[in-house]
Order: sequence, then C-alpha cells, then structure tokens
Amino acid sequence: NAGVTQTPKFRVLKTGQSMTLLCAQDMNHEYMYWYRQDPGMGLRLIHYSVGEGTTAKGEVPDGYNVSRLKKQNFLLGLESAAPSQTSVYFCASTSYNEQFFGPGTRLTVL
Amino acid sequence: GIQVEQSPPDLILQEGANSTLRCNFSDSVNNLQWFHQNPWGQLINLFYIPSGTKQNGRLSATTVATERYSLLYISSSQTTDSGVYFCAVEPTAGTASKLTFGTGTRLQVTL
Repeated sequence: NAGVTQTPKFRVLKTGQSMTLLCAQDMNHEYMYWYRQDPGMGLRLIHYSVGEGTTAKGEVPDGYNVSRLKKQNFLLGLESAAPSQTSVYFCASTSYNEQFFGPGTRLTVL
Repeated sequence: GIQVEQSPPDLILQEGANSTLRCNFSDSVNNLQWFHQNPWGQLINLFYIPSGTKQNGRLSATTVATERYSLLYISSSQTTDSGVYFCAVEPTAGTASKLTFGTGTRLQVTL
C-alpha cells in the first residue's frame, strides 16, 4: 500500500514550457486535490476532484489545468509555465475525513 | 472564506521541554487536522480532531469547537519534532472536504 505518490519529485522548466504532474493513490479514495506551497506559507488549493471524470477550481486555479480520467490518478498541467509558478506542489486524497498527502514535487521555473 | 490563525509563528525549545501550539479559526468547522511537515518537506498526519481530545504518544490535541480553537501539545520534545506544524480546517458550510491551512508554527528543538 503506497498511499499517495507523485511524479516527478523535482523539475526545472524554462518560462513558456509545459509539463504534467502525476498523482496516484491506491486507497480507493473518491476525492483528490492539488495544492501549492510557497515559502513561509501554508498550502493553497489549486484544483480538486470529487470523483472520476469531475474537476473543480480551488483558491488559486489560474495557469493550471487538471484531469481525472481514472479514479486513482489526478493530473496537474501547466500549459505555459511562469516564474510565479515556482513552488512545491502537493497532491492529497481522502474518502471523506482525513486527507493524506503525497511527498511533493519541487518545481522551479526559470 | 474561513480564516485560520496559528500561534506562535516560531518556537525554539530545548530537548525535553513541553509546548502548546494554538490554532484559531473564524467559523464553525466539521473537519480539523493537524499536520507535521518534517525538514524534508513531507506532510505527516498527526490528528483528525474536529472536536474533543485525542492522544498519540507524546502528542495530544484538543479542539473546542464552540470557541473555535484547537491546541496541540507536545511533551518531552525531541529533535525529531522539529519542523512546521500546520492546522487545517474545513468549514461546516464547506463542500468536498476542502481544507484551508494556517501559515504554521515553525518549531526548532535543540540539544
């Protein structure tokens, strides 16, 4: 039981490049989330999903897109990366109450 | 939206000391969690505690929902307790179990 996993762990992009972050969970959770964490701050919600085929915007959705084609996977895409998107990205999942987090992806946009 | 305030923002302790971290929130909640972010960045679940008291080893937590605060107690602190402690809540009126995080308490435990 791996819990929540994220791929990749680190990535460096140039401004304007695109990339996709993958989150996978093996706990059969319905809900999944993408957060970002900036220095000295708590986590802020980017997008979330309440089930396969559904997505919704969180607090800071601009510049990101998501997809949930399979229940166990939640993808976060950056179509045209900007330096303001330099951050640590966390994925989480829950069945209803406790959220469980992946190890994070550290993204730097130059 | 709901506001979450944590105090103190920073705390330095000697190993063996006790501490209390506080989380105040501005609206009624149906979900409150405490997390520890270790120095490697990993977020570890400590407690799911929308109300009442729980204990797990040297850690315990109490949430007084009617007064909109939660406390995390760390007893006999160890250097491995260092890191950032986050409180996160979901308002009662919220949907999809979305959490709002405080800005954390950074704890450093020294020898």
